[in-house]
Amino acid sequence: DTGVSQDPRHKITKRGQNVTFRCDPISEHNRLYWYRQTLGQGPEFLTYFQNEAQLEKSRLLSDRFSAERPKGSFSTLEIQRTEQGDSAMYLCASSSGTGAHEQYFGPGTRLTVT
Amino acid sequence: AQTVTQSQPEMSVQEAETVTLSCTYDTSESNYYLFWYKQPPSRQMILVIRQEAYKQQNATENRFSVNFQKAAKSFSLKISDSQLGDTAMYFCAFISSGAGSYQLTFGKGTKLSVIP
Repeated sequence: DTGVSQDPRHKITKRGQNVTFRCDPISEHNRLYWYRQTLGQGPEFLTYFQNEAQLEKSRLLSDRFSAERPKGSFSTLEIQRTEQGDSAMYLCASSSGTGAHEQYFGPGTRLTVT
Repeated sequence: AQTVTQSQPEMSVQEAETVTLSCTYDTSESNYYLFWYKQPPSRQMILVIRQEAYKQQNATENRFSVNFQKAAKSFSLKISDSQLGDTAMYFCAFISSGAGSYQLTFGKGTKLSVIP
């Protein structure tokens, strides 16, 4: 079990550019989540997939954000026309959907928008 | 909507001593789960311990234990025999087991420093 992986670990971009992040969940997990964490705060939920279906989206997920999980495996999170307020750590987590629904997190992608 | 409150932004403890981190939550749900996660500096979030709301017995994982008071909506974490590696941000989190929503709601965290 290799755990949840995310790529890239760090991304610096200029305002107005598009960025895409990738998350590979634990292989047998059918649920995948994206969270955003800003400095000094707890993670905030963005969106959730069960297999390839996106079942829930937060109001934090503006029209500039889109997430996909083709074939129910890895997921991508794209931010279009980035703004300085998008600077944050983007965390991915996965769960098996059974038991206590505990979620296992990846190392995150730190986005800095200049 | 559920809320999770951690009232202690920072705490410190001497190595080998015991420390308790507080967490309260608000929900109208009857079935839910509570978690404590640890986030070491510049490292990823790690699950420390979980508690099912329907279980009266407090969860224990080695040096980590919880005091779950359902009526008071309180869920504190006790760390015994504190070690330098326990230095981290600790987040209390809530998830409802009903209504098909599986998002975790986190508190703002408590920064714990273990002093040699």
